[in-house]
Amino acid sequence: AQKVTQAQTEISVVEKEDVTLDCVYETRDTTYYLFWYKQPPSGELVFLIRRNSFDEQNEISGRYSWNFQKSTSSFNFTITASQVVDSAVYFCALRDLSGGSNYKLTFGKGTLLTVNP
Amino acid sequence: KAGVTQTPRYLIKTRGQQVTLSCSPISGHRSVSWYQQTPGQGLQFLFEYFSETQRNKGNFPGRFSGRQFSNSRSEMNVSTLELGDSALYLCASSLASGGNQPQHFGDGTRLSIL
Repeated sequence: AQKVTQAQTEISVVEKEDVTLDCVYETRDTTYYLFWYKQPPSGELVFLIRRNSFDEQNEISGRYSWNFQKSTSSFNFTITASQVVDSAVYFCALRDLSGGSNYKLTFGKGTLLTVNP
Repeated sequence: KAGVTQTPRYLIKTRGQQVTLSCSPISGHRSVSWYQQTPGQGLQFLFEYFSETQRNKGNFPGRFSGRQFSNSRSEMNVSTLELGDSALYLCASSLASGGNQPQHFGDGTRLSIL
């Protein structure tokens, strides 16, 4: 069965600090997709990045970077020089062909990031 | 380009009633998924519709149902409401069903059961 674990329930940092959000996943499939979403207090989930299981290249987008390692089943997210606007709940999600059915999206419990000025 | 629109934003119901939530996907998106978000269980998948057909279903009782119309708009219905149904219900749309398609979410409908 598929599972996503975000061990960090809450993280608090001071502005300009770097912060890494951890994500560990479990799947039996060889083809799967990983996602990160941001949920600000307004409630809407904002799509940040998608990664497929065949592409282990790390990705950088501005202050955001993602480290995908199949060997450890991890897909970690780093924010460099954090800002107050980064405060939100961040979700890691996995989509695989679980149980022979169509692709199903499974979310982790989320990490609440608070960036203090 | 307009995002995913969910109505209503807030809803208060009492136990035993039923409720219908509406979701209009991003223009051109044909897949619509529904999720329930609660503090205890987090985000849980309810179901996914594509071309008016249910493609995926999560582990929820039959009181939770949905449908999709020919214009891709979707509705979710919950009958015989229970206190535990209080949650934020999120709708997400994507161009196609499954795989690497990122889902784009609406602001959600916050349902409170008294």
